[in-house]
Amino acid sequence: DIVLTQSPALAVSLGQRATISCRASQSVSISRYNLMHWYQQKPGQQPKLLIYRASNLASGIPARFSGSGSGTDFTLTINPVQADDIATYYCQQSRESPPTFGGGTKLELK
Amino acid sequence: EVKLLESGGGLVQPGGSLRLSCAASGFTFADFYMSWIRQSPGKAPEWLSFIRNKANSYTTEYNPSVKGRFTISRDDTQNVLYLQMNTLRAEDTAIYYCAKHGSSGYFDYWGQGVMVTVSS
Repeated sequence: DIVLTQSPALAVSLGQRATISCRASQSVSISRYNLMHWYQQKPGQQPKLLIYRASNLASGIPARFSGSGSGTDFTLTINPVQADDIATYYCQQSRESPPTFGGGTKLELK
Repeated sequence: EVKLLESGGGLVQPGGSLRLSCAASGFTFADFYMSWIRQSPGKAPEWLSFIRNKANSYTTEYNPSVKGRFTISRDDTQNVLYLQMNTLRAEDTAIYYCAKHGSSGYFDYWGQGVMVTVSS
């Protein structure tokens, strides 16, 4: 299985930039497609898709969220961070079955 | 508006069975792959299984952690996704979500989840 590694937590101030990373144990890119996706989950809620294929904003997601990366290293950026963004963020790969999720990064206020 | 509503969860004894349902609306259910994903408290989501659409012969895939115990199915006439869970273990305790697939293996819509507790 492809293992996705995320830092457990990140502390950020409101209005600042947050950069959340995800590293895969092997490449999750095929040709020009980077098969890494990002989700936001707030307590008591289901995960919500933020970014698909590394850099594409999902429907209804604010433009302060962006994604980048290829191969094994990917980044989710939130700029500027708002209070509503305090949540846990997960990366997920669909390059190989089974689809796997990272352990999550909990975004906290500094 | 896409809606996914799971049901059928609850408390079951180890070794028991449970069938989860997911009622879908707001999109052409028959056209899309669908998955079951679970999440234990404080843990990351774990993908369990998906089922392809009719055009892809309703073929299925399973996570090895549940293969042989869980069975996914769908009823496109009723817009319902199912997960039959047999020989349940304490470690199967989790919130179970159904999710609609996007075009590249991501999950663009999730249900609100249903709790399954396996305990004596």
